[in-house]
Amino acid sequence: DVKVTQSSRYLVKRTGEKVFLECVQDMDHENMFWYRQDPGLGLRLIYFSYDVKMKEKGDIPEGYSVSREKKERFSLILESASTNQTSMYLCASSLEAYGEQYFGPGTRLTVT
Amino acid sequence: GQQVMQIPQYQHVQEGEDFTTYCNSSTTLSNIQWYKQRPGGHPVFLIQLVKSGEVKKQKRLTFQFGEAKKNSSLHITATQTTDVGTYFCAGRGGSNYKLTFGKGTLLTVNP
Repeated sequence: DVKVTQSSRYLVKRTGEKVFLECVQDMDHENMFWYRQDPGLGLRLIYFSYDVKMKEKGDIPEGYSVSREKKERFSLILESASTNQTSMYLCASSLEAYGEQYFGPGTRLTVT
Repeated sequence: GQQVMQIPQYQHVQEGEDFTTYCNSSTTLSNIQWYKQRPGGHPVFLIQLVKSGEVKKQKRLTFQFGEAKKNSSLHITATQTTDVGTYFCAGRGGSNYKLTFGKGTLLTVNP
């Protein structure tokens, strides 16, 4: 079974803090994704990566950056957290670029 | 940019009734995927449709992809309490890597 893990289920940070969200997959998938999920808005793509050190902006990249130094790990960085970044963050991976995505359990981030 | 609209936003049914959710894209899709998210859980892949007019079945679930590849539907026959959750469609346009998700349909089932 594919396993996608995220570093925290719940996280509380203060405005202005730098926040790291980590995602690890154990199935040697090339492609990894970061989404945020908000009530009434569904899932929105923040960034994705189709190879180590490669990244592409999604639909809402503003205020975020990513890092992929190793194939199995994809990190989402909030350089200076703001209250409007309070959300559920979901990481996903896929073997093929156009294939099914496997999601992690999510990190619920609250910025106060 | 590409938009994927999904209706209805909510649907409450009695156990045993049928349920359908619809997905419409502003552009032609190369493929469409469906996911289910249980309350408190994460999205889980159900199926992918690629061909125009394609119909696929998984037990009580029937998935259709429109002839013009701009719409899709998920139909559940005789709902059960285990069907509770939010159903998302997600479409890709052309050679785009990106999946665009609909906002989802939350299904609740009264036993």
